[in-house]
Order: sequence, then structure tokens, then C-alpha cells
Amino acid sequence: DTEVTQTPKHLVMGMTNKKSLKCEQHMGHRAMYWYKQKAKKPPELMFVYSYEKLSINESVPSRFSPECPNSSLLNLHLHALQPEDSALYLCASSQPSGRFEQYFGPGTRLTVT
Amino acid sequence: AQSVTQLGSHVSVSEGALVLLRCNYSSSVPPYLFWYVQYPNQGLQLLLKYTSAATLVKGINGFEAEFKKSETSFHLTKPSAHMSDAAEYFCAVRRSTGANSKLTFGKGITLSVRP
Repeated sequence: DTEVTQTPKHLVMGMTNKKSLKCEQHMGHRAMYWYKQKAKKPPELMFVYSYEKLSINESVPSRFSPECPNSSLLNLHLHALQPEDSALYLCASSQPSGRFEQYFGPGTRLTVT
Repeated sequence: AQSVTQLGSHVSVSEGALVLLRCNYSSSVPPYLFWYVQYPNQGLQLLLKYTSAATLVKGINGFEAEFKKSETSFHLTKPSAHMSDAAEYFCAVRRSTGANSKLTFGKGITLSVRP
């Protein structure tokens, strides 16, 4: 099974709301990733967790807060977002080594109003 | 730093024609290279990967890519395009060092298939 699941599929939130995106994988992968993708652009890396520890933060604003409760789950907590944060948010997982491919979830389409 | 270049933003072919999507990489160490496809409103799906085992790599859906070190290229081909191949295609490169290595994407190419 090479599936990464993400919930919700769509999310509309106001700038004062707090919401969370969820990601789950059952492939035994020990690295998990959050990407942000704008229309007609490649994914941009936001965070990397390796063995449940945050290993890369690509200078993401603090209104995005990642969490890795266990090796299968990855959350992205959202607070006080701006309209320009509207995008497709993709989760991915892989074994924690460069030679291994990343498997992507279907994404959460976020709209900030 | 590792990077990939995808020239052009849009390729249009007729159904049944050869598909050729170009990717050139820049890397000071042996790279790990990947091609991903993204259909509208979906996530990325891995087509194939190069990890130095073989220079000609076969992937899913009839796609293949050839790693040419002398040309620093990893072009994606398919002998006969199908309407269902219409999508966005991303080339990506990743360093070989551990969990902190990043996957760097090219800007992507939109493939259109004409009936």
C-alpha cells in the first residue's frame, strides 16, 4: 500500500480561525513532509520531519505550526492566516534517505477569506 | 546546490505521437532524479526514479527516461501519447545525503494531447 491520506480535501477559513490539516501514512516511512503549491507552480517545501523530529523548517511563518504525534501522522496547525496563504497543501512521506522516492497525498485545497 | 531545469512550460502533441519532456540537472555529486506527474486537482504521482542502478529507467504508464551524465540530462519519453497523459510533469533532484536532503523540483511542464 503506497497511500498517503490527507484530510480535509477542501478547507475554507477566515483570517481569525484556527484549523488543522491532517496527514497519515501506513508505509512505515520515517520521514514526512509538508509542501505548499500555488497554481501552475512546483511544490515548495515547508517542513520535514525525520524520526518524528523536525529536521527542516524552510523559514515558514509561525502562523503555520507542524506537529508529528507519531511515525504515521503529521499535522499542520493553521492560525491567523492571510489570503495569500490560499494554496494546495501537500503531504508526502518517504524513507529518510535521499535515494528513496517521496509519496504524495492528494492535498488539501485551502482558501483563506 | 542541486537543481533541475525544465525548458519551456507547455508541450502539445497529437494522440499517438512521441512524447519528449526535457530535464537537465545541475549537481556536484551523483544525483537521485525523479519524474512526477500531477493530474488536475490531485497530488503528485511518481512516474520513475534514477538511483544509479541503470541509465535507462522504465516507469509507469509506458514512460521511460534515460540518464545521460555527459549531457546532464534526464529526459522523459513515451512512444505513443494517450489522451489520459495530459497533465503537469515535474522533474526533481535530491541529494544522496540523509533525511535533511531536499527534493528540488523543476518549474514543471504542461503536456496537452490533441485528438
